[in-house]
Amino acid sequence: ETGVTQSPTHLIKTRGQQVTLRCSSQSGHNTVSWYQQALGQGPQFIFQYYREEENGRGNFPPRFSGLQFPNYSSELNVNALELDDSALYLCASSPRTGDTGELFFGEGSRLTVL
Amino acid sequence: DQQVKQNSPSLSVQEGRISILNCDYTNSMFDYFLWYKKYPAEGPTFLISISSIKDKNEDGRFTVFLNKSAKHLSLHIVPSQPGDSAVYFCAGSGSARQLTFGSGTQLTVLP
Repeated sequence: ETGVTQSPTHLIKTRGQQVTLRCSSQSGHNTVSWYQQALGQGPQFIFQYYREEENGRGNFPPRFSGLQFPNYSSELNVNALELDDSALYLCASSPRTGDTGELFFGEGSRLTVL
Repeated sequence: DQQVKQNSPSLSVQEGRISILNCDYTNSMFDYFLWYKKYPAEGPTFLISISSIKDKNEDGRFTVFLNKSAKHLSLHIVPSQPGDSAVYFCAGSGSARQLTFGSGTQLTVLP
């Protein structure tokens, strides 16, 4: 069983640029969520996708956007990067039904904005 | 508005002793609470959860206690092992299964 995989693992961008992060969900999981973890803090919910539709969004501006594809993989796009966007971005997948909220996380993509 | 709080950023415990990690919450709509463990350079790993209608859940060395009247939960690890050294996050989960995490507690188990 393949777990959640994310790419790239590390990247450096400059302020104002755009970035795309990618995620392949665990086999059999049709729900994907993205979280931002700033240094010294817990992960913060960005948004969730189910059946290619956004299914909930946290307190993040519209320049954070996402996609989910028919194979349940997902992208997180961030436009007009700001210094505060520097963080670890975590993708998590889960089966839609009958769960307790347990999410299966990837190792994350560490973004540095200079 | 921090809906989930972990007030102790760090905790050190001797190997073989009990580790107790604490978490407070304000959101009464959470119907599950979860604990995750995170090692450096890895994603968080699910440890144990508890339904809001229960007051205790046990899985091997790990036990989670929930006190709804105090809006408090705790994770007990007995006996603690050096491999348990990691950052522990508690999280609340509502009906949409979107987790709200605390800021984490770094547990160090000393050999």
